[in-house]
Amino acid sequence: KNQVEQSPQSLIILEGKNCTLQCNYTVSPFSNLRWYKQDTGRGPVSLTIMTFSENTKSNGRYTATLDADTKQSSLHITASQLSDSASYICVVSAETGGFKTIFGAGTRLFVKA
Amino acid sequence: DTGVSQDPRHKITKRGQNVTFRCDPISEHNRLYWYRQTLGQGPEFLTYFQNEAQLEKSRLLSDRFSAERPKGSFSTLEIQRTEQGDSAMYLCASSLTLGQGYGGELFFGEGSRLTVL
Repeated sequence: KNQVEQSPQSLIILEGKNCTLQCNYTVSPFSNLRWYKQDTGRGPVSLTIMTFSENTKSNGRYTATLDADTKQSSLHITASQLSDSASYICVVSAETGGFKTIFGAGTRLFVKA
Repeated sequence: DTGVSQDPRHKITKRGQNVTFRCDPISEHNRLYWYRQTLGQGPEFLTYFQNEAQLEKSRLLSDRFSAERPKGSFSTLEIQRTEQGDSAMYLCASSLTLGQGYGGELFFGEGSRLTVL
């Protein structure tokens, strides 16, 4: 069964600290993995996208890693800011003639001053 | 603004009423998707169109739900005889045709939040 599982479900950190969010997937055959940021009440916005051959991708203070062998990805946030408070959703797409994009439930991050 | 736009952003209705949401995708995108999202969950796939053809529908899309994309541009999602369980954020996204590698990146609208009283 194609699944994307994220951990932790929620996380509270102090402003300026780093954190790492995890994503495990069983989607096959793998095409790409994306991390989205979703502010409360808004639509998701893409942060990074990685294909099978990539194992790291950065976007400012966000760095995503991918281990295609173990089917794990992480999103590392450096020097967190209050505006990083949001849900972070891992999304995996399958390489198929049809449509198959599986969303994780997200990690809710709270950054406190 | 060349992003995905959705209307209305918020809708409050009484149980049993019909509601319709509209989505205008990015103009050059041929794929359009509808998702439903409840609090604390990721988006759940409802249906998608390639141009004007509706190619896939989720089991979540009951008979009370209907989606159209008549000219392959904007789309509407109608919910008939709304129930309290329909309360959710309805997200629209668009993309170019899904392909290998980077293909098919989804660009989301801001969503239409439905509250059924």
